Amino acid sequence: DADVTQTPRNRITKTGKRIMLECSQTKGHDRMYWYRQDPGLGLRLIYYSFDVKDINKGEISDGYSVSRQAQAKFSLSLESAIPNQTALYFCATSALGTGDYNEQFFGPGTRLTVL
Amino acid sequence: QKEVEQNSGPLSVPEGAIASLNCTYSDRGSQSFFWYRQYSGKSPELIMSIYSNGDKEDGRFTAQLNKASQYVSLLIRDSQPSDSATYLCAVGNNDMRFGAGTRLTVKP
Repeated sequence: DADVTQTPRNRITKTGKRIMLECSQTKGHDRMYWYRQDPGLGLRLIYYSFDVKDINKGEISDGYSVSRQAQAKFSLSLESAIPNQTALYFCATSALGTGDYNEQFFGPGTRLTVL
Repeated sequence: QKEVEQNSGPLSVPEGAIASLNCTYSDRGSQSFFWYRQYSGKSPELIMSIYSNGDKEDGRFTAQLNKASQYVSLLIRDSQPSDSATYLCAVGNNDMRFGAGTRLTVKP
């Protein structure tokens, strides 16, 4: 079984709809992240969480919210989807360690299309 | 604004050659540097991490870091067609920044 799973893998929705993307991991990592990837722009960090009670905004958090339901689960919500949120979304995890080590492991991605 | 810059490519090399991928970053306080490989339609896969100045070798891959020049590179020796992918440079501590990636094609 995959260490980091994302559901759904593909989603098509309409402008204004509320959407939730879910991420689960069995790696036992404390840290979880949400990124979006757009052609030519690379990966951009939306939110990250170091534990259930610690949520931090990333580079592009506007229009998104997150919930860390448990150590293994981190969900991303689009409260009112808009077309420019059409992108490939990745969840990632990393272990809590000393120093600044931050090796991240990615889920398979969710392709979201907002019409 | 913390920036990570990579040449977008495409970079094309013949099979067996050395592929050289480069990355510059703007945040002098960065302590952690990574190279990810991403095949088309797939998720990024970590291939190298480096934290101190100098070279780090792992099989056919060598990562090079020069913090004074704010430069990190990846060398792929004996390039294979299976190395054809987009290579992402990532820099950061808690707040990771990725470059847009360099597309590498290895021709048989």
